[in-house]
Amino acid sequence: AQSVSQHNHHVILSEAASLELGCNYSYGGTVNLFWYVQYPGQHLQLLLKYFSGDPLVKGIKGFEAEFIKSKFSFNLRKPSVQWSDTAEYFCAVNAGAGRRALTFGSGTRLQVQP
Amino acid sequence: DAGVIQSPRHEVTEMGQEVTLRCKPISGHDYLFWYRQTMMRGLELLIYFNNNVPIDDSGMPEDRFSAKMPNASFSTLKIQPSEPRDSAVYFCASSLGVPNTEAFFGQGTRLTVV
Repeated sequence: AQSVSQHNHHVILSEAASLELGCNYSYGGTVNLFWYVQYPGQHLQLLLKYFSGDPLVKGIKGFEAEFIKSKFSFNLRKPSVQWSDTAEYFCAVNAGAGRRALTFGSGTRLQVQP
Repeated sequence: DAGVIQSPRHEVTEMGQEVTLRCKPISGHDYLFWYRQTMMRGLELLIYFNNNVPIDDSGMPEDRFSAKMPNASFSTLKIQPSEPRDSAVYFCASSLGVPNTEAFFGQGTRLTVV
């Protein structure tokens, strides 16, 4: 069965600091990878996605992620965070042909201090 | 499009009562997912449908939970009888059954069973 690990449960940064959130998945075949963001009290919104092609994916609000197949990783990065980036971030995967449902990681709560 | 619409947004009920959560997917989407979010267990897939047919209900916790999709524009998740441990945020999501597409989430229903 596919699984997703997010090792950082709670990250606190100051504004303008750089961000990297780790995500590892366990599945040996073809995967589709996603990062979703959940602002306080809101629903999940897609930040970016990877299906194939360039392993460096750019998303909304200055976020990017790099797919490293050999490491089964899909880490999220942002060079300079803002207070408005305070939210919970979820890595998700769906794996295998025909598998449409997402498996989510446990989430990383990011707190950006002004 | 108004996105995925869930109702009610909040539900408080007494233990033992029946609870019905509702979801209207994005028009044209042929996949519908029900997720549950709790602090302890994160985001869990409960069940998902393709073209109104349940594909995987292995995440449904027990027989007290049931889900239906009578047509392409409506789904329900029912809990009968409800228990305090069912308290969570329940999200509905929908997606298109074509490659390289993501799931879109509703605002969620916050259920509190007292």
